[in-house]
Amino acid sequence: DADVTQTPRNRITKTGKRIMLECSQTKGHDRMYWYRQDPGLGLQLIYYSFDVKDINKGEISDGYSVSRQAQAKFSLSLESAIPNQTALYFCATSEGSGLGADEQFFGPGTRLTVL
Amino acid sequence: AQKITQTQPGMFVQEKEAVTLDCTYDTSDPSYGLFWYKQPSSGEMIFLIYQGSYDQQNATEGRYSLNFQKARKSANLVISASQLGDSAMYFCAMREGLEYNTDKLIFGTGTRLQVFP
Repeated sequence: DADVTQTPRNRITKTGKRIMLECSQTKGHDRMYWYRQDPGLGLQLIYYSFDVKDINKGEISDGYSVSRQAQAKFSLSLESAIPNQTALYFCATSEGSGLGADEQFFGPGTRLTVL
Repeated sequence: AQKITQTQPGMFVQEKEAVTLDCTYDTSDPSYGLFWYKQPSSGEMIFLIYQGSYDQQNATEGRYSLNFQKARKSANLVISASQLGDSAMYFCAMREGLEYNTDKLIFGTGTRLQVFP
């Protein structure tokens, strides 16, 4: 089973709708992240959470909100979706030890299209 | 200013040849880490290799090595003996302020590598 899962994997919605993207992890990591990927722009950080009570805005948080329901779950919401939020969204986790690579582990991505 | 710059939008390499993917970075922080991730057409992000700013030797992981030139602020990825399965997007990323354990990654725009037979 995958360590980091995202649901849904694909979603098509209309402008103005509320959308929630969910992320779950079984790695036991405290730190979780949401990124969006647009063609030609790499990945940009939306929100990140170092533990259940610690949530922080990333580079591009406007139009998004998050909820850290438990150590293993981190949800991203678009309160009123707009077409320029059409993108590939990734959830990631890391141990947060600060030692060595301490790399981030990514989920498979959610492809969101806002019409 | 761009923190991470990948100047090669696309690269071609013949199977079994080596290829270098360029990455330059900009930071005034003495403590940072550099990462390379691979994104195949299926979309997932796969961690390849890491180099810490204080590491004395260039990182290596199997066919991947990182040509770290600190004074030039470059961290190029070298893939030896390319395989068809290496065709993918490759992203360079940086984490600054390691001593503060901030854990925020900044990504470049990526390089699309295509390996041909």
